Amino acid sequence: QLQLQESGPGQVTPLETLILTCSLSGDSISRDKYYWGWIRQPPGRGLEWVASVFYGGDTYSRPSLRRRVGVSVDTSSNEFSLWLTSVTAADTAISYCARMGRSPTSQYYMDVWGKGTAVTVSS
Amino acid sequence: EMVLTQFPATLSLSPGERATLFCKASETMHSELAWYQHKPGQAPRLLIYDASNRAPGVPARFSGSGYGTDFTLIISSLAPEDFAVYYCQQRGSWPLMYTFGQGTRVDVK
Repeated sequence: QLQLQESGPGQVTPLETLILTCSLSGDSISRDKYYWGWIRQPPGRGLEWVASVFYGGDTYSRPSLRRRVGVSVDTSSNEFSLWLTSVTAADTAISYCARMGRSPTSQYYMDVWGKGTAVTVSS
Repeated sequence: EMVLTQFPATLSLSPGERATLFCKASETMHSELAWYQHKPGQAPRLLIYDASNRAPGVPARFSGSGYGTDFTLIISSLAPEDFAVYYCQQRGSWPLMYTFGQGTRVDVK
């Protein structure tokens, strides 16, 4: 059974680059049925999709973050990563990684989630 | 840009009561909508996909319906573990991005 585990620095200084990693266990990231996504939740607010990646390299991201965000897959390590440059206090959030499975209508939904990692942007 | 509006913001109910949650989309996306349950300190959980299909392991008391721009999640009889925040979610066509509603909190009356 697939399990996802996020890891990250916990705290990042403003204007630095945040890097988060999601490690998979119980399945391979190279299965071509899935995208892999990052979703965050700022304090006191709802869920916000950040970016998604396919193991073959196809990526897409939230338009408002596009200039600062990137995602990649490392098949040898069975993990995927998110980086966010020039962080500010507005990037403080709990970040979740998720598997995005394809439905019969060819839509992708977040069907397996990690437990999340908290990131605080502060000097 | 796709906007999902959930209402009510909060639903205060007792165990055993019926919960009806609504989600209205700014653009029609046929039946392509999901519902998630989120409890504090836990991972969100997919409940419903493609508007009306229960995800594996989701109890039958959860049901989804709707098409186009108006969608509903019903919990037929609230169990103690159902008190949580519920989000609807769709993928917008342009720009291509995933959007969540702002959430409906179901709490104990």
